Amino acid sequence: KAGVTQTPRYLIKTRGQQVTLSCSPISGHRSVSWYQQTPGQGLQFLFEYFSETQRNKGNFPGRFSGRQFSNSRSEMNVSTLELGDSALYLCASSSSGTMTQAFFGQGTRLTVV
Amino acid sequence: EDQVTQSPEALRLQEGESSSLNCSYTVSGLRGLFWYRQDPGKGPEFLFTLYSAGEEKEKERLKATLTKKESFLHITAPKPEDSATYLCAVQGVLGGGNKLTFGTGTQLKVEL
Repeated sequence: KAGVTQTPRYLIKTRGQQVTLSCSPISGHRSVSWYQQTPGQGLQFLFEYFSETQRNKGNFPGRFSGRQFSNSRSEMNVSTLELGDSALYLCASSSSGTMTQAFFGQGTRLTVV
Repeated sequence: EDQVTQSPEALRLQEGESSSLNCSYTVSGLRGLFWYRQDPGKGPEFLFTLYSAGEEKEKERLKATLTKKESFLHITAPKPEDSATYLCAVQGVLGGGNKLTFGTGTQLKVEL
């Protein structure tokens, strides 16, 4: 079956702009989590959506937001971009329950200049 | 707050030279410990889930073990294709959902 699809793969934005990233989970998976990966901090949890509701949130400023649609596809938005937002953004999908295996997409590489 | 520490940060092995990677964790209550492999420019690829102390899982040249404070990923007779970054993550009872707390990884290089 198809894996987790993230689009776009690469983005270059200017400071102050906003950006929207998209994630299509594995068919049948209702949980979508987002992570930010940087060389210094590793993978850090942003938020999780389950059945269109935010179920969990990490320690990121309000500039980072997300949503999930009825087909389980998810988007995350970053407003007022800062240089420090440059990172690989990863989406992971899981089936309904907790303690389930998370499947990751290839990520979106965001560069803020 | 859940915490994960991985060591060493980087490891160079000769092909066939077995070794172990360490993952130490503190968690409010462990739901599961996960090992992932990540190749450059790609997303993490799932390897194992461990749920309770004493549990072991194997896959090809890899074997993961779990105690109450740490997990080890043993690599037996590694090959160059095992070169990657190995990530450890925990899921604790606090927070709920599928949130994973990751360590910063061990970058493994296997040379001929």
